[in-house]
Amino acid sequence: GAGVSQSPRYKVAKRGQDVALRCDPISGHVSLFWYQQALGQGPEFLTYFQNEAQLDKSGLPSDRFFAERPEGSVSTLKIQRTQQEDSAVYLCASSSPGMRGQETQYFGPGTRLLVL
Amino acid sequence: RKEVEQDPGPFNVPEGATVAFNCTYSNSASQSFFWYRQDCRKEPKLLMSVYSSGNEDGRFTAQLNRASQYISLLIRDSKLSDSATYLCVVNGPGGSYIPTFGRGTSLIVHP
Repeated sequence: GAGVSQSPRYKVAKRGQDVALRCDPISGHVSLFWYQQALGQGPEFLTYFQNEAQLDKSGLPSDRFFAERPEGSVSTLKIQRTQQEDSAVYLCASSSPGMRGQETQYFGPGTRLLVL
Repeated sequence: RKEVEQDPGPFNVPEGATVAFNCTYSNSASQSFFWYRQDCRKEPKLLMSVYSSGNEDGRFTAQLNRASQYISLLIRDSKLSDSATYLCVVNGPGGSYIPTFGRGTSLIVHP
């Protein structure tokens, strides 16, 4: 069956450019997470949605980062005025309802962002 | 101190060896624990959840030690295909939905 998909898979941006990263979660999955993964590190939490509600955005590194999930399905992570330190892999994960904190997360392949 | 700490390795072992990784966490109220596997340039995938009583899945055994605040992963009879990075994941207290990942432990199994 279809898993989590992300697009684009690769993005090269010039410093100062705005970018938009898309995530299509598994159909029916209520929860959606965005992570940032730097080389040699584990994924770092950015933000969390339950349906269309953004319940936690405490991991967003600055106000240049914005995420939305207007219809409770597809989500977009937008980064304005990109900086070199934004270069990383951006992972999206979704999960189905289950005992809170025990849901398995299914990850997409990620978007590799390189800011020059 | 990071919330979840792992030895990055790499652990270099021959096929057939037994290898163990530990992961320590700082929040004593953490509720749920997982091991994920991440292949090079791929996304993480759930390997196994870690239960208080410990659990086993084939060659893999996971254990939780709440008193010392660590979880472990034991891999027996290592295969070449086990080569990957193993990520420890801890969810917060009260069923918090925010997972904290360790930086991962790299395992290389050689012939």
